[in-house]
Amino acid sequence: AQKVTQAQTEISVVEKEDVTLDCVYETRDTTYYLFWYKQPPSGELVFLIRRNSFDEQNEISGRYSWNFQKSTSSFNFTITASQVVDSAVYFCALSSLSANSKLTFGKGITLSVRP
Amino acid sequence: KAGVTQTPRYLIKTRGQQVTLSCSPISGHRSVSWYQQTPGQGLQFLFEYFSETQRNKGNFPGRFSGRQFSNSRSEMNVSTLELGDSALYLCASSLAGTSLSDTQYFGPGTRLTVL
Repeated sequence: AQKVTQAQTEISVVEKEDVTLDCVYETRDTTYYLFWYKQPPSGELVFLIRRNSFDEQNEISGRYSWNFQKSTSSFNFTITASQVVDSAVYFCALSSLSANSKLTFGKGITLSVRP
Repeated sequence: KAGVTQTPRYLIKTRGQQVTLSCSPISGHRSVSWYQQTPGQGLQFLFEYFSETQRNKGNFPGRFSGRQFSNSRSEMNVSTLELGDSALYLCASSLAGTSLSDTQYFGPGTRLTVL
């Protein structure tokens, strides 16, 4: 079975602060993919990043960066200099062969960025 | 390219009724997956269709069913609605769905309220 844990449920920061969203996953597969999605109040899940289990390089995209560590089964997401528009629910998800490639989501983290 | 579209966006039904939700995937995408999102259970996988065949199914009762047409459009049906079926139903499309690396792109969802 596979599982994704997002222990933080709600985070509130003031604009321009940096914030890190944690994600811990469990899978018996050696090949798997990890994803982050953003869900703004409109409801649509917006794809942010995909990372495969063989690529542990950190990724940076503008103000967003991701830290993947297989040793701790974590795939954390950092927003630098947060903005009000970053307010949303953020989901981490896992896809692996043993789950027939379907996405298993964490419970999500509600991020509120105050002006 | 147009994104994933879902209709209707909002629905109000009463217990015992049935409902049909529609999803049009991104042009060229052949796999459609459905997810249910509730505050208590989070995002849960319902089923996946590819080439008009259900390829993967989540742990939901038989009241939940779906189908896919030759143009890849998909519908899901819920019969004998229960109060607990109130949720946001999200549709996601991907190119083929057979590869772990396939990214699922989500539509805006249909919010179903059962009274």
